[in-house]
Amino acid sequence: AQSVSQHNHHVILSEAASLELGCNYSYGGTVNLFWYVQYPGQHLQLLLKYFSGDPLVKGIKGFEAEFIKSKFSFNLRKPSVQWSDTAEYFCAVNAENQGGKLIFGQGTELSVKP
Amino acid sequence: GAVVSQHPSRVICKSGTSVKIECRSLDFQATTMFWYRQFPKQSLMLMATSNEGSKATYEQGVEKDKFLINHASLTLSTLTVTSAHPEDSSFYICSARDPVRGYEQYFGPGTRLTVT
Repeated sequence: AQSVSQHNHHVILSEAASLELGCNYSYGGTVNLFWYVQYPGQHLQLLLKYFSGDPLVKGIKGFEAEFIKSKFSFNLRKPSVQWSDTAEYFCAVNAENQGGKLIFGQGTELSVKP
Repeated sequence: GAVVSQHPSRVICKSGTSVKIECRSLDFQATTMFWYRQFPKQSLMLMATSNEGSKATYEQGVEKDKFLINHASLTLSTLTVTSAHPEDSSFYICSARDPVRGYEQYFGPGTRLTVT
């Protein structure tokens, strides 16, 4: 069965620090990859997505992620976080022939100290 | 564009009653909608996939008789929690897929269900 693993449950950073959140998935075929963000009290929003092409994808709010197929990874990065980045971050994978079904990782809570 | 709404945003009901949650795609037609459940501080768990005009496909462990899903039109799917119990209290989130835009899903704001 497919699974998605996010390595960090809770990350605490100071403003301006760099961020990297790990995401690994288990599926040997073609996948579409997503990172979603859930700000406190708000609904899920798409940060970025990878379908094909350049494995380094840029999203909104200065976030980027790199798809490394050999490592089954899709880590999220941001060079300098802000207090407003405090949120829950979810990695999700959609495998081919799965009818668009998304499998989510456990989520990583990011707390940014001002 | 690509807005998904849910109604109600919060509902409190008594044990044994049924509750209906609506999910609407406001500016696109969604051939497929998904229903998720999210426990506090946890991830989203897919409950079922709902295709317009056909029966929903439930994930393993999800009781189809308890969580009734109807997708009667391209812009509306409903989830009815039947004979609700306190353990059904949770955050229910729907998403909708716009076939024109591929595999991206657009999420609703969620419905907080509390069963007393």
